[in-house]
Amino acid sequence: RKEVEQDPGPFNVPEGATVAFNCTYSNSASQSFFWYRQDCRKEPKLLMSVYSSGNEDGRFTAQLNRASQYISLLIRDSKLSDSATYLCVVNRRDSSYKLIFGSGTRLLVRP
Amino acid sequence: GAVVSQHPSRVICKSGTSVKIECRSLDFQATTMFWYRQFPKQSLMLMATSNEGSKATYEQGVEKDKFLINHASLTLSTLTVTSAHPEDSSFYICSASRDRLNSGANVLTFGAGSRLTVL
Repeated sequence: RKEVEQDPGPFNVPEGATVAFNCTYSNSASQSFFWYRQDCRKEPKLLMSVYSSGNEDGRFTAQLNRASQYISLLIRDSKLSDSATYLCVVNRRDSSYKLIFGSGTRLLVRP
Repeated sequence: GAVVSQHPSRVICKSGTSVKIECRSLDFQATTMFWYRQFPKQSLMLMATSNEGSKATYEQGVEKDKFLINHASLTLSTLTVTSAHPEDSSFYICSASRDRLNSGANVLTFGAGSRLTVL
């Protein structure tokens, strides 16, 4: 079983739609959680951190449920430029703070 | 902001040759660098953690004699793929941490990646 699991998609939505991605992680001692965005053939870029209380950054809302070991990302009012792969990332709890990446969920926003 | 330069961005080589990829932190000292590999439509897989002045720590299943990592200075880490074969073709990405005590995502900067194709 993968340490971080995501639905690969693709999610194909019209502009303006709301879309939600889910992610589960298996290591209950994981400390920190993040969503990254990766465009085709590019390096991943940090989109936002995920806090226990939930957090929002503009059109993006992230939620964390430690009891269920579940993370979500909600995108409201989708833009064409949101088309990318969204990676769920977990900080493994050991001395070197390694990041463990999910395989990503692909989003396609159509006009 | 912090910038990490990775070179070359793309390399094509013949089977059996060795390829070196450089990762440089341009405006900060990187005490820790991480090397990832990503196959098409798959996630980034951590290969090794590189600490300046010491031996790299390799993840399970990654051959240290195959993937040589050198972190000789606070601004440069190199990954050498020795005797490359077609199955080594992949996207290799480095990341660098500005903070010795915290390598969480909020202090990590990624290089733009190096796409290796082995013929």
